[in-house]
Amino acid sequence: AQTVTQSQPEMSVQEAETVTLSCTYDTSESDYYLFWYKQPPSRQMILVIRQEAYKQQNATENRFSVNFQKAAKSFSLKISDSQLGDAAMYFCAYSAQNRGSRLTFGEGTQLTVNP
Amino acid sequence: KAGVTQTPRYLIKTRGQQVTLSCSPISGHRSVSWYQQTPGQGLQFLFEYFSETQRNKGNFPGRFSGRQFSNSRSEMNVSTLELGDSALYLCASKPLAGAQDTQYFGPGTRLTVL
Repeated sequence: AQTVTQSQPEMSVQEAETVTLSCTYDTSESDYYLFWYKQPPSRQMILVIRQEAYKQQNATENRFSVNFQKAAKSFSLKISDSQLGDAAMYFCAYSAQNRGSRLTFGEGTQLTVNP
Repeated sequence: KAGVTQTPRYLIKTRGQQVTLSCSPISGHRSVSWYQQTPGQGLQFLFEYFSETQRNKGNFPGRFSGRQFSNSRSEMNVSTLELGDSALYLCASKPLAGAQDTQYFGPGTRLTVL
């Protein structure tokens, strides 16, 4: 079964610093997609970044970038120049064509940004 | 474009009752998925609808059901509510049914079962 694991329940970072959130996944599929979502206190899930497994290049979106290691089945999120508004629960998620389009989520990492 | 909307935002029910939650997807999106979020179990997939047909179903009892209308709006129904059904129910929409499409989430419906 496909599983997603986030081993850091909580992380903290100083404003303007860089933080990396870890995610590993287990799959036998070759065609899949990985996502990072953030869920602030409002509970609205917001897409941060996505990565197609067939792409070797790591995805970037402004201050957010990923380190996608396909062989190691690792998908970490790096947040640069952290801002107070980045404080949220971050979820790593996986979907695969052969499993329909359901998202399988990790347990989440609660990120605190200290001023 | 307006985002995914869910109604109601909050609900309080008692055990044994049934409840219906509604989700309106982003305009043009034809796929709607439902997820349950609880502190103990995290985020779990309930089911997905596309073009009024259920495409996928998660591992939930038959008390959980859903449907989709011709305008892509979706409803989720839970019958014979149990205390453990207290959760945040999230709806997500995307243009088509493929795994490559990003799912966009609504604000959720907070269900409390007393």
